[in-house]
Amino acid sequence: NAGVTQTPKFRVLKTGQSMTLLCAQDMNHEYMYWYRQDPGMGLRLIHYSVGEGTTAKGEVPDGYNVSRLKKQNFLLGLESAAPSQTSVYFCASRGLAAITDTQYFGPGTRLTVL
Amino acid sequence: GDSVTQMEGPVTLSEEAFLTINCTYTATGYPSLFWYVQYPGEGLQLLLKATKADDKGSNKGFEATYRKETTSFHLEKGSVQVSDSAVYFCALSLAGGTSYGKLTFGQGTILTVHP
Repeated sequence: NAGVTQTPKFRVLKTGQSMTLLCAQDMNHEYMYWYRQDPGMGLRLIHYSVGEGTTAKGEVPDGYNVSRLKKQNFLLGLESAAPSQTSVYFCASRGLAAITDTQYFGPGTRLTVL
Repeated sequence: GDSVTQMEGPVTLSEEAFLTINCTYTATGYPSLFWYVQYPGEGLQLLLKATKADDKGSNKGFEATYRKETTSFHLEKGSVQVSDSAVYFCALSLAGGTSYGKLTFGQGTILTVHP
């Protein structure tokens, strides 16, 4: 199984440009999450989804939008990129079975905004 | 709000040394606790977890005990290897339907092990 995959792996944007990060999981998980990782700050939750067609805000949602049109995919969009959005972005998914179930992470997307 | 605090890093050790990475938490309710590891250039992987007080999680020689009285979940390993060099994250997840399994992470601790 591929697990959780993320596209692209690297991207450089200019301020004001837009882009979409794609996360795909093949484990039939209900829950999916987008995090950003910044030095010295750990991972912070941007948005999450508890099922197809649903999304909710996390800790740092400003400047991002998400969509979950298909259960296996969770898209993160930046409409007008800013240098403050330079970060490593991780997607994760988790099954519905139990509240203590493990989150599985993708390999990350390194985004630089100039 | 809920939070996780890890010891300041980075940590540099020689091979076969004893490792401790401290983790304390603040949470409303009764969280589950996790240690995740991130090897260079990779995503996070679950290392171990504990779901209730006094539980001990263990994996690959690493251990951590859920201490409710001190709100701690310190990571230990008796003899580290070069291959253990990575970033280690402590995290918590609250029980309850509205938490949806969301993780709150500590800031991460960089471990470097020299031969």
